Amino acid sequence: DAGVIQSPRHEVTEMGQEVTLRCKPISGHNSLFWYRQTMMRGLELLIYFNNNVPIDDSGMPEDRFSAKMPNASFSTLKIQPSEPRDSAVYFCASTTSGTQYFGPGTRLTVL
Amino acid sequence: DAKTTQPPSMDCAEGRAANLPCNHSTISGNEYVYWYRQIHSQGPQYIIHGLKNNETNEMASLIITEDRKSSTLILPHATLRDTAVYYCIVRPNFGNEKLTFGTGTRLTIIP
Repeated sequence: DAGVIQSPRHEVTEMGQEVTLRCKPISGHNSLFWYRQTMMRGLELLIYFNNNVPIDDSGMPEDRFSAKMPNASFSTLKIQPSEPRDSAVYFCASTTSGTQYFGPGTRLTVL
Repeated sequence: DAKTTQPPSMDCAEGRAANLPCNHSTISGNEYVYWYRQIHSQGPQYIIHGLKNNETNEMASLIITEDRKSSTLILPHATLRDTAVYYCIVRPNFGNEKLTFGTGTRLTIIP
């Protein structure tokens, strides 16, 4: 199994631009999670889906962030418009039995 | 979810056993103890989890005290590749699947 796949691995953009991060969970996993990691705040959960349905989005910082899971094999996290404080590493994880498996992350830099 | 307390950092000599403690005095009866680690610039990696009994797998052993208020992760023969931040997390095994990461223990293996 290829594990959780995230793209792009690195993204550099300018303030005000739209950013879309992508995640492909492990096949057969029915829950998907988006996390953000910064030096100041550590690793924090943004949103998670179960069977493609958003269950808890209380960690989404504000309306500029949105996440979708149109099918069991794909999810996106969109930031529009992006701001410098959104610079972080964004991780996607998936699970079917409680143990979460993480992707390699997307390092986002907003100038 | 129950909170955990871990020492911020530890050193261990290569080839020796690394013992990482975790306090979780407010753990509930249905909450498991999970351990993850994060090697620099990578996504968190699952290590092991347990409820009451001690557990062992190919990576580590988990010792949980009888009152379940604390636990110890043991890496039996630490190598340089075990240098990472180790997170102890308590959560129910079913229902709410969120993982709440604290600040963890930064383990450094000394050659």
